[in-house]
Amino acid sequence: DQQVKQNSPSLSVQEGRISILNCDYTNSMFDYFLWYKKYPAEGPTFLISISSIKDKNEDGRFTVFLNKSAKHLSLHIVPSQPGDSAVYFCAASAGGNKLVFGAGTILRVKS
Amino acid sequence: DTGVSQDPRHKITKRGQNVTFRCDPISEHNRLYWYRQTLGQGPEFLTYFQNEAQLEKSRLLSDRFSAERPKGSFSTLEIQRTEQGDSAMYLCASSLEGTGPDTQYFGPGTRLTVL
Repeated sequence: DQQVKQNSPSLSVQEGRISILNCDYTNSMFDYFLWYKKYPAEGPTFLISISSIKDKNEDGRFTVFLNKSAKHLSLHIVPSQPGDSAVYFCAASAGGNKLVFGAGTILRVKS
Repeated sequence: DTGVSQDPRHKITKRGQNVTFRCDPISEHNRLYWYRQTLGQGPEFLTYFQNEAQLEKSRLLSDRFSAERPKGSFSTLEIQRTEQGDSAMYLCASSLEGTGPDTQYFGPGTRLTVL
């Protein structure tokens, strides 16, 4: 069963515009959510996270929103830059150890 | 570079052969994780160690898979009698106990191709 779902396999955005990546989860025990970014031939790199007690966390151009009632989170990137082109994974944790990942969304930022 | 390192980066083997991968975590990290990523999917948890103790194993880790971390530093993941379905990227991550899930740092991975 897929506990973390990223339903959009890919997203294309113009440079300078907003990128919105979405993620849904089913496990109510998840208490921490993370976004990772992955370039080809590299491992995932941590981007931003949010605890289940919050509904928003911001770090520079990146903001993560959490809607617990809808079991939905989103990553906003503003403004998008060509260097943001990568695969973005949503991940969740219950209790702080292993991560459960979504299938990823390929973001392409066009200049 | 003091990040997580993995060796080899690529491995091509024939079905039925045994393979072993190595992961060197960030030196002060006492937790070490193995994940597997297949094409079009996100990483899937396989197992994790705290120091030398293997604390959790996924049911994905069949009898053919074994992981060790004998001295609480580097770890090895061995796959016996490889099958074509084992072809994947094997990722290692490390973290420091008590610092939360967002401090898992990933290595570059070992890409396994089973012919």
